[in-house]
Amino acid sequence: EDQVTQSPEALRLQEGESSSLNCSYTVSGLRGLFWYRQDPGKGPEFLFTLYSAGEEKEKERLKATLTKKESFLHITAPKPEDSATYLCAVRHDYKLSFGAGTTVTVRA
Amino acid sequence: DSGVTQTPKHLITATGQRVTLRCSPRSGDLSVYWYQQSLDQGLQFLIQYYNGEERAKGNILERFSAQQFPDLHSELNLSSLELGDSALYFCASSVGGGGSTDTQYFGPGTRLTVL
Repeated sequence: EDQVTQSPEALRLQEGESSSLNCSYTVSGLRGLFWYRQDPGKGPEFLFTLYSAGEEKEKERLKATLTKKESFLHITAPKPEDSATYLCAVRHDYKLSFGAGTTVTVRA
Repeated sequence: DSGVTQTPKHLITATGQRVTLRCSPRSGDLSVYWYQQSLDQGLQFLIQYYNGEERAKGNILERFSAQQFPDLHSELNLSSLELGDSALYFCASSVGGGGSTDTQYFGPGTRLTVL
């Protein structure tokens, strides 16, 4: 069975304090690793897709990287508006299996 | 705004009742996916339809059913509701059938409360 584990569960940062979120996965035949951002009571918002080890993608203060067993989401110099839950998901066959998420709180 | 629309936004009903959730995919998208998100289970895949046909099934209960219509909108029917069915229900859509370069875009969700 596909397993996606995210750590830490929660992260409290000071504005400008960079950090990383981890997503480890066990799946045979990975067909994409996805990062989404979710605000409370809202639908997940697509951020990145990574397909192969060594791949990196960036968007504003966020950078996602992928290895054979895990992915990292780096948040550089975060701002309060980066506060959200960040979800990682892996695609196997047609479905996405999501991790439980990391809730990031950035204090001004 | 992802372009995926869901109605209603909130739904409050009683145990044993039946409800229908509606989803309109982004323009041009052929696949619709349904997910359930509860506090203890996280985001769980329920079912996928592609161009009107069921494509993949997750942990969907027998009390739940879905369909996709010729105009590509989809409905999720939940019957004999139980307290544990209270959750956020999300619809997502994608251009293709879920293949390797397909990206799922999520709607705003329907919050179901079963009393």
